[in-house]
Amino acid sequence: SQKIEQNSEALNIQEGKTATLTCNYTNYSPAYLQWYRQDPGRGPVFLLLIRENEKEKRKERLKVTFDTTLKQSLFHITASQPADSATYLCALDILMDSSYKLIFGSGTRLLVRP
Amino acid sequence: GAVVSQHPSRVICKSGTSVKIECRSLDFQATTMFWYRQFPKKSLMLMATSNEGSKATYEQGVEKDKFLINHASLTLSTLTVTSAHPEDSSFYICSARGLAGLNIQYFGAGTRLSVL
Repeated sequence: SQKIEQNSEALNIQEGKTATLTCNYTNYSPAYLQWYRQDPGRGPVFLLLIRENEKEKRKERLKVTFDTTLKQSLFHITASQPADSATYLCALDILMDSSYKLIFGSGTRLLVRP
Repeated sequence: GAVVSQHPSRVICKSGTSVKIECRSLDFQATTMFWYRQFPKKSLMLMATSNEGSKATYEQGVEKDKFLINHASLTLSTLTVTSAHPEDSSFYICSARGLAGLNIQYFGAGTRLSVL
């Protein structure tokens, strides 16, 4: 069966440390993989997109890796801040019936302690 | 980034009534719009995909007669929950992709529907 798995337990880290979130998937062949941030009661906010032929992407304090052999993406936030506390969603961009659809993982909640 | 406006942000209605949710792309033309549903502490579940001027494509298990979707223009899509019941209470989120591609989806702020 097709699955997208993110750590269901919350990740609790100290301010200034690097947060690393994991996204594993099975039985999908995504053309792209995207990471979103979601705050309580709000819609997701786009953070980064990485293509299947890219291994790494960076944007300011964010870094995403994409290993299509392992079927895994890692999302890193360096020098984390309490304002980074939120739920982070991994999403696979799947081409189905000639159009792309985003399929989401269940998200990992990140808590950055001051 | 591009802005997607969703309205209303919260609605409370009586069982049996219909509720319409609007989704607008404010600064880009959305060739495709998506409607998602999210239960507490759960992931976003894709309900349907709509392209401007054509019928929406519904995901398996989503009742098309219950959730009516209209994508009348490149900047507006609406979701109408017909004859709402308490089990329809949820967080509904719209999303849009633009003509420019890049496969980035922009999301509205969501609508919290509570059916009494």
